[in-house]
Order: sequence, then C-alpha cells, then structure tokens
Amino acid sequence: DAKTTQPTSMDCAEGRAANLPCNHSTISGNEYVYWYRQIHSQGPQYIIHGLKNNETNEMASLIITEDRKSSTLILPHATLRDTAVYYCIVRPFRTYKYIFGTGTRLKVLA
Amino acid sequence: DAGVTQSPTHLIKTRGQHVTLRCSPISGHKSVSWYQQVLGQGPQFIFQYYEKEERGRGNFPDRFSARQFPNYSSELNVNALLLGDSALYLCASKSTGVEETQYFGPGTRLLVL
Repeated sequence: DAKTTQPTSMDCAEGRAANLPCNHSTISGNEYVYWYRQIHSQGPQYIIHGLKNNETNEMASLIITEDRKSSTLILPHATLRDTAVYYCIVRPFRTYKYIFGTGTRLKVLA
Repeated sequence: DAGVTQSPTHLIKTRGQHVTLRCSPISGHKSVSWYQQVLGQGPQFIFQYYEKEERGRGNFPDRFSARQFPNYSSELNVNALLLGDSALYLCASKSTGVEETQYFGPGTRLLVL
C-alpha cells in the first residue's frame, strides 16, 4: 500500500489560501488520492479525490503533479471553520481499506 | 439526505464487558467499513462488509467481530474489553463504482474503565 507523508502542522491566515502538501512517491498508476478532514473528533469529512487530473469542487482544489508522486490540497479562502486535521490517503484500486496517517493539523488564524 | 448514522454516541464500559456498536449506511450504499481511532492518531481499519459478507479485516484480535444485516446496517461487537479499546469507533459507507468514495458517520466514543 502506498504511504503518504504530510507536514504535522500548518498555520494559515483567515481569508488566505491554504495549501496542504502530500507526498505519495510510491503511488501506483491506478491508485486514487483522497483528501478528508476531521474537525475536533467528529467523523472524517470527504473533501475531494483525484487520479491524474487536477480537480475542483465547492470545497477545494486538488493539484496532482504530473508524475503523481505528490499532491496539494488548496482551500482558496480559508475560514476559522477550516481549522481541522487534514488527511491525504492513497486508495489502492478495488480495495476497501483506507490507510490514514497522522495528517496535517491546519490552524486558521484570525 | 441522511448521512451515515451511528449509535450510541457515547458509551462507558468496564474491563471484561462486551459492547455492540451500530451503524446505518447512507441509503443505497451496500458496503460498510469500521475504523478505530485512538486519541491523537488517524483512524485504523477494522472491517469491511459488502452485501453481508466480510470483504476485509484489519490487524485486530478476534475479540472484534462484525456483521451486516439484509438492510445493510451493521454491528461491531467487541468482547472482553480492555482499557486500550477506548477510542472513537467510526463507521463508513461506500458508494459503488470505480471511484468508491467512503462517507463517515459521527462515530461512537467508547470509554473503558
């Protein structure tokens, strides 16, 4: 299973873009990258996922490098409510199991 | 639309007891997975069930068991509770199809004394 590496913590000013990096250098060609966040011990909340192309939805954008060895989650205008632990997960094709790391603790500052 | 629901929200047990946690998936989802999250760590995979069959098991002892019912709801059972079983237990249901996104419930917080 491909492992992911994320910074332990990051700060971001409210209203600015938050860019959260993730390294997944052992990713295989058919493995998706998923991002979830967890706010204060609630259940993880799905944010976005992608395979090769960059993706955007109402919550965030996902930028995946051409070699797929790393990705960046972008919250375009961070708010205080975006303070959470953000998990980057590589899901093997046709498997059921998410392997969570320790994630990045994002603190949005007023 | 209702998301994944779990019950109870909180639970206190003593060592050696047994506990049953319940999960109802999103309507139309046939797959349910269970995760354990110890304080300060990411969730750890316990089980996945699809169409009432176990499709995967994580590295957990046999004290942990689960089942899925015809309506796709699920129970997680833990026997002979240990202090180390204190955790947030998360249930996730999964849509079908290639991209198979999992959606998590709010969790059940179990405290073993």
